[in-house]
Amino acid sequence: NAGVTQTPKFQVLKTGQSMTLQCAQDMNHNSMYWYRQDPGMGLRLIYYSASEGTTDKGEVPNGYNVSRLNKREFSLRLESAAPSQTSVYFCASSEWQGGSYEQYFGPGTRLTVT
Amino acid sequence: GESVGLHLPTLSVQEGDNSIINCAYSNSASDYFIWYKQESGKGPQFIIDIRSNMDKRQGQRVTVLLNKTVKHLSLQIAATQPGDSAVYFCAERTPQGAQKLVFGQGTRLTINP
Repeated sequence: NAGVTQTPKFQVLKTGQSMTLQCAQDMNHNSMYWYRQDPGMGLRLIYYSASEGTTDKGEVPNGYNVSRLNKREFSLRLESAAPSQTSVYFCASSEWQGGSYEQYFGPGTRLTVT
Repeated sequence: GESVGLHLPTLSVQEGDNSIINCAYSNSASDYFIWYKQESGKGPQFIIDIRSNMDKRQGQRVTVLLNKTVKHLSLQIAATQPGDSAVYFCAERTPQGAQKLVFGQGTRLTINP
């Protein structure tokens, strides 16, 4: 049981390049999330998917797109990377049960845009 | 929009002492709160959670207190150990949030030997 996995772990892009961050979970959770974390800051929600087939914008969606490929996988795409997108990206998943909204996080992808 | 904030960005305590990390939340209708621990280079890990119909919840060496009157949440860690050094985040679930959480900025806890 790997939990939430993310690939790649590190990535360097030039301004204007595109890339897709991959996320998968093996806990059969319905909800999945993408966050970014900037130095000294908390987590800010980019996009989330309440269930397979649905996606919604979070607090900072500009410059990103997402795809909920199936129940397990939720990808984040940067179409034209900008230096302001340099950050650490975390994927998470959750399933409401027993009154808990705990989200399970992946190890993160560290992205640098030059 | 709603925000979750922290009183102190950094906290240093001596090994073996108790530590208290504070959090203020702004939405009085939030019904669920959670604390996460994030070690350097890792993703956040669940510590403890509490629903708004409770004032206190205890775990292993940790206690969360909820004061709805002043919209304040605290995490108490007993007998701190070097492994407790990390950044701690509180988060709340707002009424509009479905299964979304709103995270605070975090407090860095340093344990001095």
